[in-house]
Amino acid sequence: DTGVSQDPRHKITKRGQNVTFRCDPISEHNRLYWYRQTLGQGPEFLTYFQNEAQLEKSRLLSDRFSAERPKGSFSTLEIQRTEQGDSAMYLCASERGGAYEQYFGPGTRLTVT
Amino acid sequence: EDQVTQSPEALRLQEGESSSLNCSYTVSGLRGLFWYRQDPGKGPEFLFTLYSAGEEKEKERLKATLTKKESFLHITAPKPEDSATYLCAVRDGVTGNQFYFGTGTSLTVIP
Repeated sequence: DTGVSQDPRHKITKRGQNVTFRCDPISEHNRLYWYRQTLGQGPEFLTYFQNEAQLEKSRLLSDRFSAERPKGSFSTLEIQRTEQGDSAMYLCASERGGAYEQYFGPGTRLTVT
Repeated sequence: EDQVTQSPEALRLQEGESSSLNCSYTVSGLRGLFWYRQDPGKGPEFLFTLYSAGEEKEKERLKATLTKKESFLHITAPKPEDSATYLCAVRDGVTGNQFYFGTGTSLTVIP
């Protein structure tokens, strides 16, 4: 257990529905990252927060995806109008600024039917 | 663009048979190369960070080394519990905010 938690661990939804995932980072970590991972691939960067500010988003991130970190603690990732291609593991990672290694949560497995 | 390539894609070893995994990278100004272990259905588990060529880190049966273009993860006398996917990542050299991961090496250690 790295201290990063994610909820839910699994989500099955129908195409077109909206879903929201939550990530609770290690408490003293000010940086938080979201990744997407599909089978046989490494994690793919989606977006990054420093405290409550979203500082970077992947060019690949569809406008159906939005993320927030309202008080610089937990974060949510919302996917609107889900598509079958959104099926993947969504990973959250946190980092203490300057330490450079990221600690990952267990992930949320999304299946879009 | 930053890129990370890992080889082999899959590796089967007998218990006790030592080997190495390779991670080659291209990045504009390396700000760190990272090794992670990932078990099926779980998030990656941090193993090592390397920052400069010539640096080495060790943990139990694992040893990571770094050159200017690649990193190796040496596994000495592996045990079945070392079976996992090993991921390599580099930190983006421009902003320092993005990590680029390779596709991993799936290691199976046979008793």
